[in-house]
Amino acid sequence: ETGVTQSPTHLIKTRGQQVTLRCSSQSGHNTVSWYQQALGQGPQFIFQYYREEENGRGNFPPRFSGLQFPNYSSELNVNALELDDSALYLCASSRDRGSEKLFFGSGTQLSVL
Amino acid sequence: EDQVTQSPEALRLQEGESSSLNCSYTVSGLRGLFWYRQDPGKGPEFLFTLYSAGEEKEKERLKATLTKKESFLHITAPKPEDSATYLCAVQTNTGNQFYFGTGTSLTVIP
Repeated sequence: ETGVTQSPTHLIKTRGQQVTLRCSSQSGHNTVSWYQQALGQGPQFIFQYYREEENGRGNFPPRFSGLQFPNYSSELNVNALELDDSALYLCASSRDRGSEKLFFGSGTQLSVL
Repeated sequence: EDQVTQSPEALRLQEGESSSLNCSYTVSGLRGLFWYRQDPGKGPEFLFTLYSAGEEKEKERLKATLTKKESFLHITAPKPEDSATYLCAVQTNTGNQFYFGTGTSLTVIP
């Protein structure tokens, strides 16, 4: 059983650029959630995808968008990057949208200069 | 507003010195309370789920308990390998998202 994998592990961008982060969910899982974790803070929910549809969204602006593919892998896209977008972006997969146990990847560390 | 508060922010213990971490929550309807462990540069790793007041779960040196307003993570005779950030999260009845606290950074000194 493969775990949740995220790529890239680290990324440096400049303000105003766009970024795409990728996540492969754990085998057998059809739901992916994305979280943003700023330094010294707990993860904050961005959105969840279930069977290729967005299934809940946190308090993030529309420039944060996502996709889920038929194989249940997912992308997080952020447009018009701001300095405050610098954070660890975590992907978590679960067996179903109502599942209570999340399996996290190691994250992508994004730095916006 | 749903809220999760953890204390203390940081805790330094001598090896073998037992202690407790606190997680207090204010939510409209609790579906479950979760404890995760996070090592530096890694994603959180699931430890426990608690559903109702009075429930307890144990795993090695860790024991989690739940009341109507808070949860405790008790660490008995900790070892240096228990050093990590411990995150508390709640899931409500109204949605699928998890609300995380800011975590307690635990350092166990040999």
